[in-house]
Amino acid sequence: DPKIIQKPKYLVAVTGSEKILICEQYLGHNAMYWYRQSAKKPLEFMFSYSYQKLMDNQTASSRFQPQSSKKNHLDLQITALKPDDSATYFCASSHGTSYNERLFFGHGTKLSVL
Amino acid sequence: QQQVRQSPQSLTVWEGETAILNCSYENSAFDYFPWYQQFPGEGPALLIAIRSVSDKKEDGRFTIFFNKREKKLSLHITDSQPGDSATYFCAAVATGGNNKLTFGQGTVLSVIP
Repeated sequence: DPKIIQKPKYLVAVTGSEKILICEQYLGHNAMYWYRQSAKKPLEFMFSYSYQKLMDNQTASSRFQPQSSKKNHLDLQITALKPDDSATYFCASSHGTSYNERLFFGHGTKLSVL
Repeated sequence: QQQVRQSPQSLTVWEGETAILNCSYENSAFDYFPWYQQFPGEGPALLIAIRSVSDKKEDGRFTIFFNKREKKLSLHITDSQPGDSATYFCAAVATGGNNKLTFGQGTVLSVIP
C-alpha cells in the first residue's frame, strides 16, 4: 500500500483556472514537502512544512499556496494556472527536517495546463 | 544557474557491466549528497547517500566516490541488472538546510540484457 497518497494522478486544467493537489502521508512523519519536476528543469524544491508550520518557501509566485489541515496532510492550491505550470508535482515527507533525513516521495500528480 | 550537474544525460550498458554516473556541484556549503532512483510513473526513492567527510560509501552493488577538492562525485553500479534501468538523480544539501535538496537533472540508465 502506498504510504504517501497523491490525488489525482493526472490533472488537465485550462489557463486561468484553479486546482488543488492533494497529499496525505501515513508514515507518521512530522515534515512534508512539495517538489516540482518539469520537462526542462531538475526536480525543484517548492515548500517545506514541519508540524504544520511553513519552514521554507522557494516558490516566487503567490499563486502557489500550500494548505495543511492536519499533520499528515499538505495540499497545494494553484491559482490562475499558466501553461508553464505544467509539470509533475511530488509530495514528500520525512521524520524530521534535519539535512540528512530520508525523503519519501509520493507517485506525483501530473498537471497539464492547456 | 544550475548548482548540481549530472553527466551523461543518458547511459546504456550491458548486463553485468559497471555503470558510472557523474555529478558535480558548485556550492561549497553542500555537505550531504543523496542519490535517488526513479522508475517511470513513480516518485524518486533514496538509493544511497554520502557525507562530505567521507570519500567513499558502499552499499551492495552501489558505491559513491566523492572528491571534495574537485566538488565531484560519482555513482558506480557494478554488475548492472536490467532492473537497475531507471533515472538517477544526484542531490545536495547543506547542514542546516532543512532538508531542502538541490537536484541535478538526472541520468537515464538503460541496462541491456
